Formats: sequence, structure tokens, C-alpha cells
Amino acid sequence: DAGVTQSPTHLIKTRGQQVTLRCSPISGHKSVSWYQQVLGQGPQFIFQYYEKEERGRGNFPDRFSARQFPNYSSELNVNALLLGDSALYLCASSLGTLDYEQYFGPGTRLTVT
Amino acid sequence: AQSVTQLDSQVPVFEEAPVELRCNYSSSVSVYLFWYVQYPNQGLQLLLKYLSGSTLVKGINGFEAEFNKSQTSFHLRKPSVHISDTAEYFCAVSPPNFGNEKLTFGTGTRLTIIP
Repeated sequence: DAGVTQSPTHLIKTRGQQVTLRCSPISGHKSVSWYQQVLGQGPQFIFQYYEKEERGRGNFPDRFSARQFPNYSSELNVNALLLGDSALYLCASSLGTLDYEQYFGPGTRLTVT
Repeated sequence: AQSVTQLDSQVPVFEEAPVELRCNYSSSVSVYLFWYVQYPNQGLQLLLKYLSGSTLVKGINGFEAEFNKSQTSFHLRKPSVHISDTAEYFCAVSPPNFGNEKLTFGTGTRLTIIP
């Protein structure tokens, strides 16, 4: 069975630009969460989506937004990129919102120059 | 508010030796506790979790952890490590019934196995 997939693998953007990251959950999983992992730190929760609705939001500015599609895949958008947005962005899927059995994708490495 | 402290940023251990990775947490409410492993260039994988019940939790790959409420600790142990255990290990804490929204990770411990 395919695990969580994310695209692209790596991305280089310039300050002020916008970026879209994509995630496909494990088949049958309806919940998708996004995390930001800055180098040398643990992941920080950004969003959780379940059945196309936002169910949780971490302490991130409004430049960060996300959505979930009918097939449960998800996109994370970041506008007006800052140098500090450089990080590994992880997507995790689970069966439900209170299911702690999360399965993580390999991440998208975003570098902002 | 809750927080997680992983005091050791790096732990070198000889192959087949035992290892303990330390995790302490701070929370004003009861908590769920987790250990995740991140292999190079991969996402995180859940090793084990404590939600309730027995304070000794067994996980995958021969790892176990013990919840100590009085010491607010959840240390991870393995009696004999292998080269394949080389990875970054993250402790995480969450209040019950909040799902991922309140999941707080520590800064990680890099475990290096010396042949």
C-alpha cells in the first residue's frame, strides 16, 4: 500500500513569492495534518483538515492557508514568503481527528532565498 | 500550556549497548505521551504512545518507555541497539481529546550508533 506522498520534494523560492505544497493521504484516511519542521527543532502543528473542513489551526500567521479536496488530498499555501519560512513541511494522515496513529510523508524541503 | 524537554541533543552509543533517551514534560492537565522516530530523509514514524493504563509501554523495533507522573518523565529505552537505530527521536505530548491540534514536540535527540 502506498504511504503518504508529498510533492514536490524540494523547492527553492524567493522572498515575497507564494508556494503551494501538495499531499496525498493513505487510502481510506480522511484527516490530513500539516507540520513545519525548522532545522534543529521538532515539528510544529500548522493545520488539521477532516472531511474538507478545518478542524485545528496552530499558531501561524494568515499567510499560511490550506484546503482539502473531495479525494482527501490537501494543499498548503504560503504567501509572501519570508526567510524564516525555510523548513521541512510534513504532511500526516490519519483515519480521524482524534486518531493519534498518524502516518507522515517524507516532507517537502522549502528554501527561501 | 504544555512543553517538552529533551535534554540530550545527541547521544552516541556503541552497537549492542543499551540506550536511554530522556524526555521530561510540563503540563497543568493530564497528558498523552508519544515517541516518534525520524530516519534520514524520511518523515516521522510513531514508535509508541501512552494514553492510559500501564505505565510501561512497548513499541516497535524493541523500544519501550515508562511514564512517570511524579517525575513528569517519559524516557525511551532499548536494551541493545543496532546500526539501523541511527535516527532522530522526538518526544511529544498532547492533552487528551484534542487530536493533533495540541501536539507539542520536543527538539529531538540524535541517536548515533557506533560500530
